[in-house]
Amino acid sequence: DIVMTQSPDSLAVSLGERATINCKSSQTVLYSSNNKNYLAWYQQKPGQPPKLLIYWASTRESGVPDRFSGSGSGTDFTLTISSLQAEDVAVYYCQQYYDTPITFGQGTRLEIK
Amino acid sequence: QVQLQESGPGLVKPAQTLSLTCTVSGGSISSGSYYWSWIRQPAGKGLEWIGRIHTSGSTNYNPSLKSRVTISIDTSKNQFSLNLTSVTAADTAVYYCARGVGYPLYWGQGTLVTVSS
Repeated sequence: DIVMTQSPDSLAVSLGERATINCKSSQTVLYSSNNKNYLAWYQQKPGQPPKLLIYWASTRESGVPDRFSGSGSGTDFTLTISSLQAEDVAVYYCQQYYDTPITFGQGTRLEIK
Repeated sequence: QVQLQESGPGLVKPAQTLSLTCTVSGGSISSGSYYWSWIRQPAGKGLEWIGRIHTSGSTNYNPSLKSRVTISIDTSKNQFSLNLTSVTAADTAVYYCARGVGYPLYWGQGTLVTVSS
């Protein structure tokens, strides 16, 4: 299985400041034949299902605010929220879909400082 | 817009079979090339992928559950289902159904299944 490890486990950021969440995979999720990273990011608020934010490591899903961005390649990835808003308080998960079993990171809890 | 809704018993006894159904609306389950997945989340914990079935009928299961899991599609009812046998308390979780092309995009609201006698 590909193990996904996120850091930090929790994060407190002031409103309007930048939030950065890291995700590392135990093996590459970059598929060489199409040069795509099979990595997605989700946001989950209490009592709700996860919401897709980013796929192919850096493609923002339709309707997701542009303050959310994804970067990285191979085994190291980052989700950045450029200017934290109150509604961004949530748990964030990375997920690899390079191979089955599909695996998720353990989650990063983002709070307001 | 595709919508998914999980249904099934909220309480299952140990050693019995957990059976859930996901009803799809807003599109045909047999059209396109999609993966129809089951994912679960124990209270206060992270997400665990259970398995998926492709529009073609092919399946993939998590090896940690493979011996106990079956996912199937009923195109006549626009539904897909999860059967998990020999359940224990460790199977207590919110169960989500989802649709995607690798990464799940559309998710149901989830249904809580408790395993207890």
